[in-house]
Amino acid sequence: NAGVTQTPKFQVLKTGQSMTLQCAQDMNHNSMYWYRQDPGMGLRLIYYSASEGTTDKGEVPNGYNVSRLNKREFSLRLESAAPSQTSVYFCASSAGYENEQFFGPGTRLTVL
Amino acid sequence: QKEVEQNSGPLSVPEGAIASLNCTYSDRGSQSFFWYRQYSGKSPELIMSIYSNGDKEDGRFTAQLNKASQYVSLLIRDSQPSDSATYLCAVISFMGGSNYKLTFGKGTLLTVNP
Repeated sequence: NAGVTQTPKFQVLKTGQSMTLQCAQDMNHNSMYWYRQDPGMGLRLIYYSASEGTTDKGEVPNGYNVSRLNKREFSLRLESAAPSQTSVYFCASSAGYENEQFFGPGTRLTVL
Repeated sequence: QKEVEQNSGPLSVPEGAIASLNCTYSDRGSQSFFWYRQYSGKSPELIMSIYSNGDKEDGRFTAQLNKASQYVSLLIRDSQPSDSATYLCAVISFMGGSNYKLTFGKGTLLTVNP
């Protein structure tokens, strides 16, 4: 089992460009999450999906949109990238929202 | 605001020593507690889960939970240089209905010196 996979691993964007980060899990988990991690700020929740068909805002949702495509896949979209969105993005999944989370390898995004 | 606090470190221990990592949390109703290890440039990796008061051992790792004092700790025995990483404490709190929230501390950087 691959666990949680993310693509791409690295990305450089120019201000104003858009892109979609992809995440997939093969653990039959119900809940999926998107975090960003910045130095000194810890992990911050952007959006989450408690179950297929639902999505909710986390702590820092501005500038992002998400799609829970099916039970396996959860994508994060940046419509108009800004330098403040330079970060490492992690996708995670859990069996239920009350369970431990398992993380993907991350995407390093730089916005110039 | 439910908070999870950790000393940012760095905590430096010699090889073979016991490393002790501490975490306090603000929500008395918290019910699930996790320790993650994160190597530099890598993603968080779950290493321990604990749900009830007392100690839970797994190899060289022991998690300790004291709900009355609202702290959870991680002991690493016979520390190795490969244990050098940032350790994240995470706590699940019940928010009402079917809602739960997982809150991460900012992590403690551990350095094990050969």
